[in-house]
Amino acid sequence: GAVVSQHPSWVICKSGTSVKIECRSLDFQATTMFWYRQFPKQSLMLMATSNEGSKATYEQGVEKDKFLINHASLTLSTLTVTSAHPEDSSFYICSASQLQGRGETQYFGPGTRLLVL
Amino acid sequence: GDSVTQMEGPVTLSEEAFLTINCTYTATGYPSLFWYVQYPGEGLQLLLKATKADDKGSNKGFEATYRKETTSFHLEKGSVQVSDSAVYFCALGGMDSSYKLIFGSGTRLLVRP
Repeated sequence: GAVVSQHPSWVICKSGTSVKIECRSLDFQATTMFWYRQFPKQSLMLMATSNEGSKATYEQGVEKDKFLINHASLTLSTLTVTSAHPEDSSFYICSASQLQGRGETQYFGPGTRLLVL
Repeated sequence: GDSVTQMEGPVTLSEEAFLTINCTYTATGYPSLFWYVQYPGEGLQLLLKATKADDKGSNKGFEATYRKETTSFHLEKGSVQVSDSAVYFCALGGMDSSYKLIFGSGTRLLVRP
């Protein structure tokens, strides 16, 4: 159980285009999903927290107009990188939280590697 | 603020060696503690967790004990395998209603046959 999927796993796009990444919790309902960005050989940087049916909460320094997050249902959140540029190339990872006993546990998707040319 | 400090890698071991990856934390409340593992090119997988002091999390031969007195959550395994080669992240969470996780910088483990 507690499987999170992401689609696509790889995407290459031209500078100036927009890219949408989907995150799905396959076998549980996730009231909260998180979006992270990971640079090579570095830790995860939280970009935003997404709650179903409400606006996402962005971390300081993350442009909300550039990284659009929609959490349409309890099993789906999407991240759209608008007008992508080469510096947006990165590994994007989502997670979904599931209430288990005391507190919640986050389960991570396999990640989406974005390359902007 | 809340933070997690991990030992710097890479850690290089021979197969069947004993593994310890140190993790200490700073938190104002009573966090839950986690170890996640990331294999090359993949997302993170939850390895184990502990939600209160003196709890021991264990999975796949890995163990970590939540030590409040030393604010530590060191990861150990008695006999590592080549397949354990990965990056290991210590994290704390459950500090507030946002359920955010705060990650350490990660420790790369390389196990040689």
